[in-house]
Amino acid sequence: DTEVTQTPKHLVMGMTNKKSLKCEQHMGHRAMYWYKQKAKKPPELMFVYSYEKLSINESVPSRFSPECPNSSLLNLHLHALQPEDSALYLCASSRTDSSYGYTFGSGTRLTVV
Amino acid sequence: AQSVTQLGSHVSVSEGALVLLRCNYSSSVPPYLFWYVQYPNQGLQLLLKYTSAATLVKGINGFEAEFKKSETSFHLTKPSAHMSDAAEYFCAVRGNYGGSQGNLIFGKGTKLSVKP
Repeated sequence: DTEVTQTPKHLVMGMTNKKSLKCEQHMGHRAMYWYKQKAKKPPELMFVYSYEKLSINESVPSRFSPECPNSSLLNLHLHALQPEDSALYLCASSRTDSSYGYTFGSGTRLTVV
Repeated sequence: AQSVTQLGSHVSVSEGALVLLRCNYSSSVPPYLFWYVQYPNQGLQLLLKYTSAATLVKGINGFEAEFKKSETSFHLTKPSAHMSDAAEYFCAVRGNYGGSQGNLIFGKGTKLSVKP
């Protein structure tokens, strides 16, 4: 299995809703990442997990809450989002030596209404 | 700090023509460099990577890139464009957060259009 699977593919949520994005990989990668990508822009790093521990938080607002329950799963919990949070959310994984490159999922297209 | 600059936000070529997408990097240490492709409404797919082995790197779908330290460049080429190559292309360098784990620092991207 050489894929990163993200669910759901599309999500529409209101500003008072709570929802979660899910990411799964079975490549034995011990580093996992959340990126946010706005239209016509490059991806921007949000969080990095290494060996299931949060190692990097790029000053992301607390309405985004990551969780890594085990070495294969990565969640992003969403609460009280704003319309400007609408974007493509990409999950990626890599070996802990990321010089081998990242494997990206196909993303969750999030719309906040 | 590491960074990459992609020259040209939009490149248009005819089918069968040479594809050349430009990327220059800035790095205080020997860089790890990557090219990714993104099709509409999809994630990013790794085309190729440079990790200080061979300077000419061959990737998937007929793409290759040459690392030139003297020019701090890592341009992506393909001899003959196909319609299916139309996509957004991102050059990236591994940053130095977290040591070898790193993070990817992306250029702004180049949209490749292929005319029939």
